Amino acid sequence: GQQLNQSPQSMFIQEGEDVSMNCTSSSIFNTWLWYKQDPGEGPVLLIALYKAGELTSNGRLTAQFGITRKDSFLNISASIPSDVGIYFCAGGSTDSWGKLQFGAGTQVVVTP
Amino acid sequence: EAQVTQNPRYLITVTGKKLTVTCSQNMNHEYMSWYRQDPGLGLRQIYYSMNVEVTDKGDVPEGYKVSRKEKRNFPLILESPSPNQTSLYFCASSLSGGRVNSPLHFGNGTRLTVT
Repeated sequence: GQQLNQSPQSMFIQEGEDVSMNCTSSSIFNTWLWYKQDPGEGPVLLIALYKAGELTSNGRLTAQFGITRKDSFLNISASIPSDVGIYFCAGGSTDSWGKLQFGAGTQVVVTP
Repeated sequence: EAQVTQNPRYLITVTGKKLTVTCSQNMNHEYMSWYRQDPGLGLRQIYYSMNVEVTDKGDVPEGYKVSRKEKRNFPLILESPSPNQTSLYFCASSLSGGRVNSPLHFGNGTRLTVT
């Protein structure tokens, strides 16, 4: 299947710092999604992006759909302890409806 | 409450003993999908279903079967489990797999160990 490269693999940050992670793909996507997974639970949707160049915010979260449609980034500003978890990017393509591709995830650890 | 329910949450079994992981959603969603999560590999799609009686292979379908006889249920069947199927499994659903603004809702996962 398509390859999604998500980086960094893990981040150890102090409370109050900003966090940035990104995903790149070898193929074009029509949709970029960002999910967060808390320990022992399933992923929950944070932000959905549907147009190239789109910049969308959800509280302290901001995500952008890259102009080339092959990349996306997620920023978390002023991190707090509950931001701990695994963040996944996911891409969807009109060439393969139903087959959402996920990145390997970014583990975020926030220390007080 | 709108949700995707998987059972069981934890399962330990032995090689070759057939098992079924159930998945049910109460949101009248057309699309359902199974993923497995392994360290460093993220979520990989096993099978998906665009609607009742329609199923398709994802990226890692070998060793798994699914069925979609009714809209709300999408069981995952391992006819002869092997240790390399030890993983965390997630079921997910959405209104439609073909609509871009139709985000996935995930269940809470099933941790399977095959010895």
